[in-house]
Formats: sequence, C-alpha cells, structure tokens
Amino acid sequence: RKEVEQDPGPFNVPEGATVAFNCTYSNSASQSFFWYRQDCRKEPKLLMSVYSSGNEDGRFTAQLNRASQYISLLIRDSKLSDSATYLCVVNSLGSARQLTFGSGTQLTVLP
Amino acid sequence: NAGVTQTPKFQVLKTGQSMTLQCAQDMNHEYMSWYRQDPGMGLRLIHYSVGAGITDQGEVPNGYNVSRSTTEDFPLRLLSAAPSQTSVYFCASSPDLGNQPQHFGDGTRLSIL
Repeated sequence: RKEVEQDPGPFNVPEGATVAFNCTYSNSASQSFFWYRQDCRKEPKLLMSVYSSGNEDGRFTAQLNRASQYISLLIRDSKLSDSATYLCVVNSLGSARQLTFGSGTQLTVLP
Repeated sequence: NAGVTQTPKFQVLKTGQSMTLQCAQDMNHEYMSWYRQDPGMGLRLIHYSVGAGITDQGEVPNGYNVSRSTTEDFPLRLLSAAPSQTSVYFCASSPDLGNQPQHFGDGTRLSIL
C-alpha cells in the first residue's frame, strides 16, 4: 500500500462546478499536511497547508480527518485556471525522509 | 527574488556519462532536497540536507551523490548515467521541515540514451 494515495483522475468538470479530491495516508504519526498545485511541465507550488480544524482560502477548503487518515480539498466555482494536477503531501515527524508526496490528481476545468 | 534556481533546464546524456545538476537558493534556507518525478509515481526523495556539511539519503539514493559545502548550493551528481535515471529532477528548499512548505526550483528534464 502506498503511504499517500490519491485518485489520479482525470476529473473533467465544467466551469463553475464544485469538485472535491481526497487523499489517504497510512502513517498515523503524520503531523503536517499540504496541498500543492502543479501545472503541466512546471514545478509544484504550495496551494495551502491543511490544519486540524480545517481551513479555507477563497474558493478552496481543506479538511483533515485524523481518525480516518485522509485529507480533502474542495474547490468551489471552478475556473479554467484551476486546471492542474493537485498533489497531496504528508510530513511525518518533521523529517525530510518522512515527507511523502501523492502521485497527484489531474483536474481539467472545461469552458 | 530568485528563490530556488536549477541548471540546466534540459539535458540529454549517453549511458555511462556523468554530470552535475546545479541547485542554488537565496532564501537562507537550512533544508534542501532533491526529488525525481516519474509518471504515476509522484515525487520521490533522492537526497536531502539539513544544513551545510550535512547530507543524508532519501528513498531512492542509488546512483546519485550530493554535497552541501555552503547553505546556498546543493548539487546533485549522477555518477554513471543509466536510462532508468531519465526523469524530471526538482530541487527544493525550506526553512523548516515541520510545518513549513517547500519551495521548488523549476526542474531539470534529463534524458539518458
């Protein structure tokens, strides 16, 4: 079983739609959680950190469920510019060795 | 504001050749890492450093060497290139690996023939 698993998609949604991605992690000692965005042939860039109480940044909402060991990302009112691959990143024990990336979920927002 | 700078952006090598991928950051970050990204596998950690003079192996270190003589620079050396090392390589830095995100360079696309 992979340490961090994501549905690879692709998710194809119309503009204005709401879309949600889930990511599961296997290490119950995981402490830090992030969502990164990666555009085609570009480097990953931080989208948002995920806090225990859940957090929101504009149209984006991140949730953490420690009991079930998953994090989620909700995108409301999708824009064409949201088309990208979304990477789930989990950090256990604050160590580089324990920073694990999911393989990403591809999103395409259609006009 | 340069951030993390990687060179070269593209490289083609023949099997058995050696080369060095350069990475420099100007943010005074202590932590630097090298990843490779292959289709369907996400980013995998090759080597990392928690400060000048200190390096350690990640998940896939075989065939690669690193050094960290200064805070700013963290070069990755391919000792004898193999086709299995064809990949996209990303260098990243972070002030803290706990709750701080990593800043990535824009990648080196490497093909080994």
